[in-house]
Amino acid sequence: DAGITQSPRYKITETGRQVTLMCHQTWSHSYMFWYRQDLGHGLRLIYYSAAADITDKGEVPDGYVVSRSKTENFPLTLESATRSQTSVYFCASSRGGGSYNEQFFGPGTRLTVL
Amino acid sequence: EDKVVQSPLSLVVHEGDTVTLNCSYEVTNFRSLLWYKQEKKAPTFLFMLTSSGIEKKSGRLSSILDKKELFSILNITATQTGDSAIYLCAVVGGSSNTGKLIFGQGTTLQVKP
Repeated sequence: DAGITQSPRYKITETGRQVTLMCHQTWSHSYMFWYRQDLGHGLRLIYYSAAADITDKGEVPDGYVVSRSKTENFPLTLESATRSQTSVYFCASSRGGGSYNEQFFGPGTRLTVL
Repeated sequence: EDKVVQSPLSLVVHEGDTVTLNCSYEVTNFRSLLWYKQEKKAPTFLFMLTSSGIEKKSGRLSSILDKKELFSILNITATQTGDSAIYLCAVVGGSSNTGKLIFGQGTTLQVKP
């Protein structure tokens, strides 16, 4: 039972390049989330999805694009990477979107933009 | 603006000490508060609190919520080096019932042998 996985685990890219971070979960959870974690800021929500083909912006969506054509996958794309997007990215999922559903986190992707 | 504030931001203790981590929040439509532990990988779930005054316990860890004063504490007794981690507090709330988590900055705990 793989749970929630992310790929790649580490990525180095250059400013201006397009980068896609993958997230896959095997629980058939309805909700999926993308966070970035930076020193001094904790975890900040980038985008989330309530179901396939339903996505919405979080706290820091600028410069990112998401899609969710299948329930199990929630890729995050940086259309033109900038140095400020150097961060650790976590994907998470939860069974539902209400108050009582804990979120389960993937192992994270460490992205460096040169 | 919704916000979650944790204190202290970092803490160094010795094995056997007891620590208290604080989390205060100002979040519209509060629904629940969660504590996570993060070592050198993904956050892992510790507790979910929805009601005031009811202590949740798991081994040496315990947590309680005060919805009137808008804060929660996480206690760790008889600390061990394996407790060294970042402890994250997050609140479910906001204007829509989407389960979005609003995180605090985290408290970095270091337990020395």
